[in-house]
Amino acid sequence: AQSVTQLGSHVSVSEGALVLLRCNYSSSVPPYLFWYVQYPNQGLQLLLKYTTGATLVKGINGFEAEFKKSETSFHLTKPSAHMSDAAEYFCAVSDSGNTGKLIFGQGTTLQVKP
Amino acid sequence: EAQVTQNPRYLITVTGKKLTVTCSQNMNHEYMSWYRQDPGLGLRQIYYSMNVEVTDKGDVPEGYKVSRKEKRNFPLILESPSPNQTSLYFCASSPRTASNEKLFFGSGTQLSVL
Repeated sequence: AQSVTQLGSHVSVSEGALVLLRCNYSSSVPPYLFWYVQYPNQGLQLLLKYTTGATLVKGINGFEAEFKKSETSFHLTKPSAHMSDAAEYFCAVSDSGNTGKLIFGQGTTLQVKP
Repeated sequence: EAQVTQNPRYLITVTGKKLTVTCSQNMNHEYMSWYRQDPGLGLRQIYYSMNVEVTDKGDVPEGYKVSRKEKRNFPLILESPSPNQTSLYFCASSPRTASNEKLFFGSGTQLSVL
């Protein structure tokens, strides 16, 4: 069965610093992987996704993630944090049964300090 | 504007009083789904629908009902709410049922059952 583990429920960085949010997955089939962001009092928005092809995926707002099959990881990075990046971030993997279901990690809250 | 609309945004009710949370999308999407979000657990799927009149259980369906009589609407029904159903609920849709599809989320419904 598919599962996702996000390491660190809270991450705090200074404005301008590197953002690194960790995600490891377990999947019995080649995975489709997603990062979603949830700003306060809003629904989730897709940041980026990996389906096939290039393992380095670029998303919106300067974020990117790299699919590493050997490490079963899909970590999210951004070179320079901005105050507006403060939000909750969810990593997700598609269910193998083609039900359209996403299996989400527990979420990581990103705090950006001035 | 393409969107998923949920109502109400906030709801406080008492144990046993039936309630319905509405969800509507204006993108002609085939696939719709309900998730609940709880601290430390991420999002978990309650029910999903691949098309009109086709619904199926997700991971946590107990205590919930859904219907899909029209393509655009997918209401979530709690026949006899209990305090353990206090949660943040999200409706989501995608163009079709596929593992690599992006989900479009509503803004959420915060439900408190007293």
